[in-house]
Formats: sequence, C-alpha cells, structure tokens
Amino acid sequence: AQTVTQSQPEMSVQEAETVTLSCTYDTSESNYYLFWYKQPPSRQMILVIRQEAYKQQNATENRFSVNFQKAAKSFSLKISDSQLGDTAMYFCACSHTNAGKSTFGDGTTLTVKP
Amino acid sequence: DTGVSQDPRHKITKRGQNVTFRCDPISEHNRLYWYRQTLGQGPEFLTYFQNEAQLEKSRLLSDRFSAERPKGSFSTLEIQRTEQGDSAMYLCASSPRGGTRSYEQYFGPGTRLTVT
Repeated sequence: AQTVTQSQPEMSVQEAETVTLSCTYDTSESNYYLFWYKQPPSRQMILVIRQEAYKQQNATENRFSVNFQKAAKSFSLKISDSQLGDTAMYFCACSHTNAGKSTFGDGTTLTVKP
Repeated sequence: DTGVSQDPRHKITKRGQNVTFRCDPISEHNRLYWYRQTLGQGPEFLTYFQNEAQLEKSRLLSDRFSAERPKGSFSTLEIQRTEQGDSAMYLCASSPRGGTRSYEQYFGPGTRLTVT
C-alpha cells in the first residue's frame, strides 16, 4: 500500500516570488514514479512534473522543479517566479510501475497574490 | 487530440436512483481510470482498465458500483441505489500505452454528482 501526505493545506505567495510545496510518501515498492498535478479552480487536473524514482537527478519543467530525497521519501515542488495563473490546488501523487493507478495526497491550495 | 471527455458534467439525482456516467479517453490511450474526489481531498482510486479488461477494483467500490469498457474505448461507471455519501466528483483519466509516459494520467473535467 502507498500513502502520500501533504502537510500544508494552504499556502500563499506574492507574484514573482518562489514557493515550495511539501510532500512525503511511503511505498514498499522499489520502482515507482512521483508526480505533481495542478487543479485550477473549476478546471481539470493537469500534470505539472514527473520524477522517476530510479533517477537521482531532480526533474525540472520551466519554472517548476522538484527536490527528490529518496531516503527521506520526500518530494517537494518549487515554483519560481510565481504567476497569477499558478493559483490552484496542487496534488502530489505516487504510482508504482506494476500498477497503473496513482495514490494522491489531499492537496495544497496555493494562492498567488498580485 | 481532443482530451478526455466526460458526460454529463453535472448530475443531480434522488437517493435510491441509478446513475450512469460516461468517459471517452484520448483515442490512442489503452489505460483508463476512474477516481472519486470529495471536497478538500485528493482523488481516490476506484478502478482501472487496460483495453477492455478491468484489472483492479478498489475496496471503496461497493457492489452498487460497476464499470465497463466494452470495446476498449469509452467506459461507463454506474452507481445503483445512490446514497447521499455518493455525492462527489467522479474523475476519469487515461494514459498512453507503453514507455515511461504510460504512468502519466490525463484527466477529464469530471462529473459532479449530487444525491439529494
């Protein structure tokens, strides 16, 4: 069984600033993927960034990057140069390679303030 | 690529009625997932298909719930004898066949069910 924990229900950041969202997970699998998804208000969920557990290098996608600490089972998301359009709920998720489903955390609501 | 679509987007029903939702995945995706999301929580896995085969079903899915994907394309999720606790957003997602991207899920807009 997998669990994903997001300990920050709500966060806010000023436009153009940097913010880090936390996520910890637990899995007994050795091969797995970690994801951050974004769910804007009343809109559908989209994938932000993906990390393969076997890769040591942290994934980056433009202004989004992760800090993957495998031993600590930590997977945080850093958003640089925050924009108003980044306002959304962010979900951390884990999927192991022998099953398609993902286990999601309860999300962090991020508000970017002008 | 028109994305994952779900129908209807909203459904209001009375307790005890049956409801059916439809999901059309991205055309070349062979995996299809159903999740349930209640307010303030992350999506909870319900079931998943690879092509037409239902490979896994959550314990959350009581015998009032059934899902099908008859030809490996669209899927339906039926809830019989609805209860107020079934009120939630029902999300469908699909993922492509093969390769590392097969673990990335593309979500539809969801069907919001309200049971009165």
